[in-house]
Amino acid sequence: LAKTTQPISMDSYEGQEVNITCSHNNIATNDYITWYQQFPSQGPRFIIQGYKTKVTNEVASLFIPADRKSSTLSLPRVSLSDTAVYYCLVGDANYGQNFVFGPGTRLSVLP
Amino acid sequence: NAGVTQTPKFRVLKTGQSMTLLCAQDMNHEYMYWYRQDPGMGLRLIHYSVGEGTTAKGEVPDGYNVSRLKKQNFLLGLESAAPSQTSVYFCASSYGTSGGSSYNEQFFGPGTRLTVL
Repeated sequence: LAKTTQPISMDSYEGQEVNITCSHNNIATNDYITWYQQFPSQGPRFIIQGYKTKVTNEVASLFIPADRKSSTLSLPRVSLSDTAVYYCLVGDANYGQNFVFGPGTRLSVLP
Repeated sequence: NAGVTQTPKFRVLKTGQSMTLLCAQDMNHEYMYWYRQDPGMGLRLIHYSVGEGTTAKGEVPDGYNVSRLKKQNFLLGLESAAPSQTSVYFCASSYGTSGGSSYNEQFFGPGTRLTVL
């Protein structure tokens, strides 16, 4: 299983763009990169998933370089409600049980 | 659609007692999962199921048993609860390989907060 490394915590201010980088040096050919968001006392929620290059949805963008050994989740113009823990997962998309949740990045958005 | 629901929301047990946590999903998902989350940590996979009648061990299966008799339900049992099993338990489900907008996007329930004294 591909192991991921991401910062334990980050601080930002409202209205700023936040970029959270995840390292996954031993990512396999069939592995996808998935990000989840978790608010206190709630289950995680899917944010975005990608395989290579760039993926964008209404919530975030995901940038994946050609070597796929890292990825960056970009949250545009964060608000206080974006304060949460963000998890980077890497695994074969055909086997959901292979996605491992690490400790995540605790993002604090300040006014 | 209710999505993924978990019963109960809270429970306090004494050491040695048994209990069953119920997870139900109404999205016709093939895959279901049970995780535990300890304070300040990520989620750890206990058991999972890739279809009705099948179960498999995850990262931390000891002390737990599961059953998937119906596609929509996934039960997690603690036969003899221990204080080390004090945690928040999350159930999740996903399409599996048969479809969905994203590969194996997992949908999570609200969690069950279990305390073992």
